[in-house]
Amino acid sequence: GAVVSQHPSRVICKSGTSVKIECRSLDFQATTMFWYRQFPKQSLMLMATSNEGSKATYEQGVEKDKFLINHASLTLSTLTVTSAHPEDSSFYICSAYSLAGAAYNEQFFGPGTRLTVL
Amino acid sequence: AQTVTQSQPEMSVQEAETVTLSCTYDTSESDYYLFWYKQPPSRQMILVIRQEAYKQQNATENRFSVNFQKAAKSFSLKISDSQLGDAAMYFCAYRRVASGTYKYIFGTGTRLKVLA
Repeated sequence: GAVVSQHPSRVICKSGTSVKIECRSLDFQATTMFWYRQFPKQSLMLMATSNEGSKATYEQGVEKDKFLINHASLTLSTLTVTSAHPEDSSFYICSAYSLAGAAYNEQFFGPGTRLTVL
Repeated sequence: AQTVTQSQPEMSVQEAETVTLSCTYDTSESDYYLFWYKQPPSRQMILVIRQEAYKQQNATENRFSVNFQKAAKSFSLKISDSQLGDAAMYFCAYRRVASGTYKYIFGTGTRLKVLA
């Protein structure tokens, strides 16, 4: 149990375009979802926390207008990178958390999405 | 603010041997959770072991065990009988217990190489 999927696993886009990444909890309802960014050989950097039906809470230094997060249901959160630029190229990871059930009190991570902006 | 420190950027171990990865943290909280996550080349984060601070007994999961020293704020991971599949990045993480605060604070990671 407690499986989190991400789609797409890889995406290449042109500079100036927008890219949407989906994060789904497959077998549980996620109270909270998190979005991380990871640069090569570095740790995970938390970008934002999202709760279903409410606005995301962004970490200091993360541009909320650039990284739009929507958590429309208890099983789906999306991250949209708007007007992407080469410096946005990175590995994006989501995780999901639940106050009950299979994911109780623990974050379960998706497999990540590699974004390359040309 | 809480911080997590992993002072070993890279470690190597011979197959079948034992290795210990270090993690220290700083917090003023008395109750919290600590985790070790493994990130293999696939980049999928995998939970290795978890420790609740209120538990004095060190957590164990098969070949993985921790040495939790609450007063010293130390949380090391011991891997026994190392296998080639253990090669990965290992991240130590901290989480407060307080309601409404579920985010993790990660250390910088330790890359573990397993030598055949």
